[in-house]
Formats: sequence, C-alpha cells, structure tokens
Amino acid sequence: EIVLTQSPGTLSLSPGERATLSCRASQSVSSNYLAWYQQSPGQAPRLLIYGASSRATGIPDRFSGSGSGTDFTLTISRLEPEDFAVYYCQQYGSSPRTFGQGTKLEIK
Amino acid sequence: EVQLVQSGAEVKKPGETLKISCKGSEYRFTTYWIGWVRQMPGKGLEWMGFIWPGDSDTRYSPSFQGQVTISADKSISTAYLQWSSLKASDTAMYYCARTKVIGGSQGYFDLWGRGTLVTVSS
Repeated sequence: EIVLTQSPGTLSLSPGERATLSCRASQSVSSNYLAWYQQSPGQAPRLLIYGASSRATGIPDRFSGSGSGTDFTLTISRLEPEDFAVYYCQQYGSSPRTFGQGTKLEIK
Repeated sequence: EVQLVQSGAEVKKPGETLKISCKGSEYRFTTYWIGWVRQMPGKGLEWMGFIWPGDSDTRYSPSFQGQVTISADKSISTAYLQWSSLKASDTAMYYCARTKVIGGSQGYFDLWGRGTLVTVSS
C-alpha cells in the first residue's frame, strides 16, 4: 500500500499570499497518477488536479500541481477567501487507492 | 445538471441493517466506475471500493472487504452501499464519487455526491 504523507498539517496564511502544499509518497506513484481535492467545511470534496498537474474543469488557474515519482506539490498562487479549506492528495496508480491525511489551510 | 444524488441521513442502532444509495443523472451511468469514500467525524478520506455499474464488477479496499457490500442497478442509474450489521464505529459521512476510467482502470474522482451521514448509536 502506498502511504501518502502531506505537509504541513496546518498552514496559516493571509489572502493574497502564496500557498505551497506537499504530498510525499512511500513509493513511486505509477504514471504520476496523483490527484488533489479541496474540501470546504460541511461540503463534499472537489477535484482540483489530476495526473499531478492537469487542472480539472472549472478550476481557476491560480491552482497548479507539480511533481513526479514520490514528491508532489499543490501551489495556490494568490489565496482567495474561498481557498481556506482542507486539501487532500490521492494516488490512483495502484491498489488500494489511498489518500493523504490532509493539509488544513487556515486564515492567519 | 450532471450530478450524483445521495440518500438522506440515517440514524440506526448497532446490529441493524442499512442500505444507502447514490443516483447518477445527466450522464451515461454505465461508462464510469462509482467509488465509495468514508469520512469519519473530524477525520480524513478513506477509499472503500468501486463498482462498474455496467456489469456490477466490484473492487474492495482490503480494509472494507467483508464489512460492506457495494451493488448497483444500472436500470435506474443507482449504486448502493450496504451493511448487514452496523457498529458504532460505522458512524461517518459516506460519499459516492464518479470515477474516471484511466488506462482501463479506476482513476480519479471527478464528481462527488453531497454525502450521506450515517449515525449508529444505541
């Protein structure tokens, strides 16, 4: 099983700042099959990024994904108020599918 | 609107049975896998399993194999998650999610239902 470790656990930033979230895999993620999801309070998760770097439909271009192998990054270039939420990475390259434990992005 | 509509919240007692549903609309239900994801109170996301509604081919996470049953009725574009004997530890939000086919297998979750809250308490 691939274990995904996200860091930091909590990130405190202000609107307008840049956010960098990390997701590290315990072994290489096949074909960079890694996705990022955003979960706002009381809501279902929403797909942001798939294939490590492709934005999902309707996702603003301030969200970008990068990385390969075992190290992946989600970057939010300029934080908007609605971006403060919990972010999860997930690998879909091997079974069982696994999620990271999440990074909470909170307003400083 | 393309969406997954999940059944409403449930309150059950330990040992009871339960079946919750997830209905797809405005897309070809039989051309995507449906996944189920658990979120325990205040915790993260856990993949439970997938079903291909076209032929009910089912895959389970080892953590949930034997604990739940996933099924589907393609004639009404609905997937199900069921328990034969609930435990207090089954208390959680359960999401269904449409799953893109990638490389002939189950890919990422591109569309999520709003979730069904299951509470198990004596």
